[in-house]
Amino acid sequence: GAVVSQHPSRVICKSGTSVKIECRSLDFQATTMFWYRQFPKKSLMLMATSNEGSKATYEQGVEKDKFLINHASLTLSTLTVTSAHPEDSSFYICSALLESYEQYFGPGTRLTVT
Amino acid sequence: SQQGEEDPQALSIQEGENATMNCSYKTSINNLQWYRQNSGRGLVHLILIRSNEREKHSGRLRVTLDTSKKSSSLLITASRAADTASYFCATDQTSGSRLTFGEGTQLTVNP
Repeated sequence: GAVVSQHPSRVICKSGTSVKIECRSLDFQATTMFWYRQFPKKSLMLMATSNEGSKATYEQGVEKDKFLINHASLTLSTLTVTSAHPEDSSFYICSALLESYEQYFGPGTRLTVT
Repeated sequence: SQQGEEDPQALSIQEGENATMNCSYKTSINNLQWYRQNSGRGLVHLILIRSNEREKHSGRLRVTLDTSKKSSSLLITASRAADTASYFCATDQTSGSRLTFGEGTQLTVNP
């Protein structure tokens, strides 16, 4: 089956610093990837849709200058949390779209901002 | 915005019993999918049911879809302790579009 990886799996950073999370489709090309955020014991909330070669589409309420998304190749999308604050601590999950409807999810990245 | 609601929010059963989880949604859909998530891990796709299908089976899983009631159910038969996880439904309105997730059901299967 299709495999999506995320790196790092866990990251701890200090308030005010920026953190980059990578999402890779390992055995398929994905023109579209999605970034989700999940709070403890809660559901996934879509943050943005990442399109290869074009600007990401952000969901309402998600600050595009805060969460920078770059989809520079057909197998890699990155999410950079800029000037991180403790309230940005969360579980971030990406998915990559295979064919018309199959989304394959990465294992997630646990971000802790101290 | 999240449109899916799932019930129950938490379900605790004994090994061997069946587990039924329900999902309701508000708008018309193209597909409905069920995912499983172990604590602190990514999502695993379980099954997809299209809007023109009413029932689908995969191993010990049975999914039903009632578009008139805008609801779906996931049945896990002969549950095992390893089935302990959170289960989410997700809908999309057109193929390849953004998924909207339900709130999830935390299933605990006691050995």
